[in-house]
Amino acid sequence: GEEVAQTPKHLVRGEGQKAKLYCAPIKGHSYVFWYQQVLKNEFKFLISFQNENVFDETGMPKERFSAKCLPNSPCSLEIQATKLEDSAVYFCASSQDRAPNYGYTFGSGTRLTVV
Amino acid sequence: AQSVAQPEDQVNVAEGNPLTVKCTYSVSGNPYLFWYVQYPNRGLQFLLKYITGDNLVKGSYGFEAEFNKSQTSFHLKKPSALVSDSALYFCAVRDMSSGTYKYIFGTGTRLKVLA
Repeated sequence: GEEVAQTPKHLVRGEGQKAKLYCAPIKGHSYVFWYQQVLKNEFKFLISFQNENVFDETGMPKERFSAKCLPNSPCSLEIQATKLEDSAVYFCASSQDRAPNYGYTFGSGTRLTVV
Repeated sequence: AQSVAQPEDQVNVAEGNPLTVKCTYSVSGNPYLFWYVQYPNRGLQFLLKYITGDNLVKGSYGFEAEFNKSQTSFHLKKPSALVSDSALYFCAVRDMSSGTYKYIFGTGTRLKVLA
């Protein structure tokens, strides 16, 4: 399809629980990106993939966050032992090429609330 | 370091009037600049981009942006605002210092068009 599908739309977790978010990129797009949108609308880059390979993970808090993109499956972002500060909207985007003239197509996001 | 600044948190404009949403950037080398719009509970939607060529770039929904190299600006404009243009607008630049050319976003400007 021509949209990036993110599920679920909303997720509520108690502090310390696990959260798992999913992203189906547009068919034919080789690159997937995860961003976290926090208070004051700031977008923080988390991680990117080229197909199933991690391309750039410089933004990932590695202690509790992990992500995968496996063949024939949606990509996933998992947060172990969530903290209140993880409350944010998580956006996935895909692109057919990493060249800077190619734009991303964004999903509608998953709003994670940690209580 | 590469960065994008949106100096106004909010811009109010009357319907039918011209609007401008400001963006300045700091990059090494040639900039790849983008504008996105975010409606409530939605992902980012692409409006327009500047890669090279004419300094005035035309995009979706009647928006345009003017690239000014000497002022390192890329302001978003529309000749006649609509109430339906009310949304959150993000300026972004591609990070040319990283191999992924990931987006660096500004903090967003909320546009309110008043009837």
